[in-house]
This record gives sequence, structure tokens and C-alpha cells, in this order.
Amino acid sequence: DAGVIQSPRHEVTEMGQEVTLRCKPISGHNSLFWYRQTMMRGLELLIYFNNNVPIDDSGMPEDRFSAKMPNASFSTLKIQPSEPRDSAVYFCASSFSYTQYFGPGTRLTVL
Amino acid sequence: GEDVEQSLFLSVREGDSSVINCTYTDSSSTYLYWYKQEPGAGLQLLTYIFSNMDMKQDQRLTVLLNKKDKHLSLRIADTQTGDSAIYFCAESPSGNTPLVFGKGTRLSVIA
Repeated sequence: DAGVIQSPRHEVTEMGQEVTLRCKPISGHNSLFWYRQTMMRGLELLIYFNNNVPIDDSGMPEDRFSAKMPNASFSTLKIQPSEPRDSAVYFCASSFSYTQYFGPGTRLTVL
Repeated sequence: GEDVEQSLFLSVREGDSSVINCTYTDSSSTYLYWYKQEPGAGLQLLTYIFSNMDMKQDQRLTVLLNKKDKHLSLRIADTQTGDSAIYFCAESPSGNTPLVFGKGTRLSVIA
């Protein structure tokens, strides 16, 4: 299996621009999680889906962040407009039961 | 809310055993995990333990759980330079739910 696939691996953008991060979970997994990692706050949950339905988005910082899962094999996390404080590594993870497998992450830099 | 605490740094000599400790506050934690993160990479699931277990061994890794004290440890036998990484403790009350992570312990192995 290819594992969880994320794209792009690195993104550098300017403040105010729209950023879209993409995730392909492991085939057969029914839960998908978006986490953010920063030096100050560590790893934090942003949002998660079960069977393509958003279950908990309380970790999404504000209305500038949105996430979708149109089907079982694809999810997006969008930031519009982006701000320098959004700079972080964004991880997608998927699971079938009690073990979560992480993608390689997208390192986002907002200038 | 839930909280997971870890010491930030550990330094050991190659060939010695490493013990990384973690405490958690959520008494309903059912699943406890250890992840490894190498520089610039995603999180690799190393091992996990259910709350009804006291110990789990997997090759060089031994996980000990003291549920009464809410204390989890990861022992790495015969530590190698390739074990140098950040190790995260995480907990979850049930399968397919978000993980709560500690801040990570940076393990440095001295040759």
C-alpha cells in the first residue's frame, strides 16, 4: 500500500493568498484526520471525518479554514486568506479501527 | 481537558537502553500509542497498548502501562544512532477518534 499521500509536500505563499492542501487516505480506511504541528503548540487536531462526514471541527482556528471530503479517497484543507501565523506542518492521517497512519505532511510557509 | 506530558530531551549512549516516559490525565484513555518522527518526516506508528494490558513487547521495544498512575513508558533496548528522533506519546478514548499528543521527547543517541 502507498500509505497516506499528501500534496504538495512544501508550499510557500504570500499573505492573503488561498492555499489548498490535499490528502489521499489509505484505501479502505473510513476515518480521516487533519492535524497541524507547530513548535509552540505541538500537534493539534483541526478536523476529522468518519465515512466522509465531518464529526468534529472544533480545532479549526477560524472561518478562514475549511475542509471537505467529497469521497472516501480524497480530502482537502483550504485556507483563505492565508496569514503568516498559519505557517506550520499540516498532517493528514487515516484509520480503519484504532491505529492512525500519517502522511508525510505539507510544510506551509506564509510570507 | 485531556493532557499528555513528556520530558523534552533524553540523551543516551549507543548500545544502552532508552526509557521515555509519559503521563496522561484522561482516565477514559483506552488506547495509548508511541509514534516516532524523524527530521522532515511524518509520524511513524511504533507501537500501541490497550488500557487492559500492563506490558507489550515488540522486538527492541517494550511498553509499560501503569493505569493507576496514568503512566506510560517506552523502553528501547540496544539503542542505535538510527533511533535518534522525536518520540510522541498519544492517547485516545476509543478507536477512530482523534489522538491527543504529548509535546514529544527528543532522543539523542551518542556514538
